[in-house]
Amino acid sequence: ETGVTQTPRHLVMGMTNKKSLKCEQHLGHNAMYWYKQSAKKPLELMFVYSLEERVENNSVPSRFSPECPNSSHLFLHLHTLQPEDSALYLCASSQVHGGAAGEQFFGPGTRLTVL
Amino acid sequence: ELKVEQNPLFLSMQEGKNYTIYCNYSTTSDRLYWYRQDPGKSLESLFVLLSNGAVKQEGRLMASLDTKARLSTLHITAAVHDLSATYFCAVPYYNNNDMRFGAGTRLTVKP
Repeated sequence: ETGVTQTPRHLVMGMTNKKSLKCEQHLGHNAMYWYKQSAKKPLELMFVYSLEERVENNSVPSRFSPECPNSSHLFLHLHTLQPEDSALYLCASSQVHGGAAGEQFFGPGTRLTVL
Repeated sequence: ELKVEQNPLFLSMQEGKNYTIYCNYSTTSDRLYWYRQDPGKSLESLFVLLSNGAVKQEGRLMASLDTKARLSTLHITAAVHDLSATYFCAVPYYNNNDMRFGAGTRLTVKP
């Protein structure tokens, strides 16, 4: 595998389900990101992990819970989601130097539908 | 806080025409990135601009960066249908370890 991979690519879940999104980067980067992209809305940064520590969470609802066990893996745990959470969830990685992010490389995304 | 503004947000152009997309940002940065997104797909990197006056070209697209004016442009020459996509500019948010993206310019090239 090369670059940034995400699984699953598509997910349909009910509002009472619990599921997790997985992201893996094979680029040796030290920072990973979760973004949400809804139809007709700008790209929304959800979480930033740099050196495996969460740096920013942008006031994301607690029904989204990130986990970064090491520099190559990032998870987004989902529970009791709402229909408005349906979106494309993108994972990205980059190399951070001195607090500045370098070029971000994106995974293919997970298309989430909440019924 | 860093703000990144793109214009136009929507652009419909005919094949063969030229046009420019603009990206303004609000705080000092010496670098800027352009990405392309096809419908239903992820973002792919187009250009990395790492200094004032940087110019990069690939095919019918040319990007430039003026760090003093806090402005980048993406120029399209003799557009073709295959260029139809959404284009994003992004600027590093220093000390925040992340990148701020513009809202995107949805380009449609019509025959």
